[in-house]
Amino acid sequence: EVQLLESGGGLVQPGGSLRLSCAASGFTFSNYAMTWVRQAPGKGLEWVSAISGSGSSADYADSVKGRFTISRDNSKNTLYLQMNSLRAEDTAIYYCAKCSSPQYFDSWGQGTLVTVSS
Amino acid sequence: EIVLTQSPATLSLSPGERATLSCGASQSVSSYLAWYQQKPGQAPRLLIYDASNRATGIPARFSGSGSGTDFTLTISSLEPEDFAVYYCQQRSNWPWTFGQGTKVEIK
Repeated sequence: EVQLLESGGGLVQPGGSLRLSCAASGFTFSNYAMTWVRQAPGKGLEWVSAISGSGSSADYADSVKGRFTISRDNSKNTLYLQMNSLRAEDTAIYYCAKCSSPQYFDSWGQGTLVTVSS
Repeated sequence: EIVLTQSPATLSLSPGERATLSCGASQSVSSYLAWYQQKPGQAPRLLIYDASNRATGIPARFSGSGSGTDFTLTISSLEPEDFAVYYCQQRSNWPWTFGQGTKVEIK
């Protein structure tokens, strides 16, 4: 059974940094691209970033480009999202998800809440 | 960026009725479109991928159709557990984008 467990969320001041982690199990982690999707309180889903299985390629939404960095450690079956220069509008639940083949989001974690506020 | 527009915003129906949800793309996404279901307090769940293929374990009452810029998710007969928010999502072009969602509520 695929399991994805996010951690690292919390309260951070504007301009601050946070690193999210997503521990994966139940599948061969390195074989699949992974992604982060966020959801602001009471709002819809917003795709944030994705990374290939090897970690050699990544892409970002314009809203986070230059501030967020996605990475993965295939030896630890863990996905990361380094978030810098955080803004109030980054406040959201952040979900990690496994990309199927074809690349849709076929398994999701339970999410971790990031709150950016002074 | 490809904009996905879902309609209606809210659909009020009774159990047993048929639900028809629409998703329009600002430019062609071919068949590279998915549908997700999200219930309150839960993560989304993949229902349909590549416009018309049911994901693993999804009941046959869910079906998808369309290509290019116009897509439809149909729930043939609503079960109590189907009342939720539904999102479309495209993977044709970067950045991947979601629609704003359609809430299916009990009438």
